[in-house]
Amino acid sequence: GENVEQHPSTLSVQEGDSAVIKCTYSDSASNYFPWYKQELGKRPQLIIDIRSNVGEKKDQRIAVTLNKTAKHFSLHITETQPEDSAVYFCAASKGVSSASKIIFGSGTRLSIRP
Amino acid sequence: DTGVSQDPRHKITKRGQNVTFRCDPISEHNRLYWYRQTLGQGPEFLTYFQNEAQLEKSRLLSDRFSAERPKGSFSTLEIQRTEQGDSAMYLCASSLLSGVYNSPLHFGNGTRLTVT
Repeated sequence: GENVEQHPSTLSVQEGDSAVIKCTYSDSASNYFPWYKQELGKRPQLIIDIRSNVGEKKDQRIAVTLNKTAKHFSLHITETQPEDSAVYFCAASKGVSSASKIIFGSGTRLSIRP
Repeated sequence: DTGVSQDPRHKITKRGQNVTFRCDPISEHNRLYWYRQTLGQGPEFLTYFQNEAQLEKSRLLSDRFSAERPKGSFSTLEIQRTEQGDSAMYLCASSLLSGVYNSPLHFGNGTRLTVT
């Protein structure tokens, strides 16, 4: 079955610097890759997603890149701010087929140092 | 749109007891998912429904776990003969499958289960 690996598990960056989180997936049929942010004690919330027909998507300070050949995708946060501190999860799914469960990575705890 | 709601928020039970959780998805969403999350880990897939049909159940899920969505709206997750290892946050999420695309998952606040 699908497996999603995420690293690093923890990441600490200086406020204003960039943060990069990387994920790899095992099922080449995966075609939908969302990223979720989970603040302490709260529900996971979608921050950005990308489909396999594009290689990059950007939304203000957040961008996601996808390399289908290598089966990996990355989250980039620029000009980090204190409110970016949270746990970030990548995920993958086949999206359209009947077996479209979404599989999550193990998470990256991002800390922004003032 | 009031979002995905889950009840109860917290449940403490003794080992061996049965528990049932409820999830009310976003009203127009036809897909409903159950995930389990333990501290420091990502959500682990348990099962999901499209309308009232249960399309997939995790192979890791023992037969003590059962989920229903009888009318294609709310869903219940029952755990029989609870064990301490069942202690976790149980998250429900919903989405809308429209045409060929599945909308993003919207999560509820979860039910935190503690088995003593």
